[in-house]
Amino acid sequence: DQQVKQNSPSLSVQEGRISILNCDYTNSMFDYFLWYKKYPAEGPTFLISISSIKDKNEDGRFTVFLNKSAKHLSLHIVPSQPGDSAVYFCAAIDGNQFYFGTGTSLTVIP
Amino acid sequence: NAGVTQTPKFRILKIGQSMTLQCAQDMNHNYMYWYRQDPGMGLKLIYYSVGAGITDKGEVPNGYNVSRSTTEDFPLRLELAAPSQTSVYFCASSYTSGTYYEQYFGPGTRLTVT
Repeated sequence: DQQVKQNSPSLSVQEGRISILNCDYTNSMFDYFLWYKKYPAEGPTFLISISSIKDKNEDGRFTVFLNKSAKHLSLHIVPSQPGDSAVYFCAAIDGNQFYFGTGTSLTVIP
Repeated sequence: NAGVTQTPKFRILKIGQSMTLQCAQDMNHNYMYWYRQDPGMGLKLIYYSVGAGITDKGEVPNGYNVSRSTTEDFPLRLELAAPSQTSVYFCASSYTSGTYYEQYFGPGTRLTVT
């Protein structure tokens, strides 16, 4: 039973444009959400997070939005750069348990 | 700082064999985690530890055992390996205090059971 879902396996955007990656969840007990970036043959690296008491968190080119009523979060990357090409995972926390989505592969076209 | 290190990087096991995946961190993090990632899937939490001597089950613990005798090390033991345990295994650590949950991941161990 997948509690965190990323329904788009892949996304392609032009360099300089906005990338929007989406994530849906089913568990209303999740109190913290994170995005990770993963390159092939490497472990994931932390990108940005948001607490359930907030609806937006921004860090440079990366912004995460949380819509609790819709159980939906999104990651915006502006402007997108070729080095952003990677697999992006969203994750949610319930207590000490982490739940990951299946990932979205982002390709930024130069 | 080396961060989170994992050994070995690759391993092929025969069905029924046992092995230990090693994980170490030098960041003095209190929390450590083991995940597995199957092809096309997200990471699934196997076990986690909130400090030395304390471990707890994650989402998919069956077929695995862990121990945490020191802050730095968190080995994952596979007994009686099965083909279903073919996966990439990631170890992670974090300093969790309040709402700070950023995890640092190791490079992974690719395990094949045949």
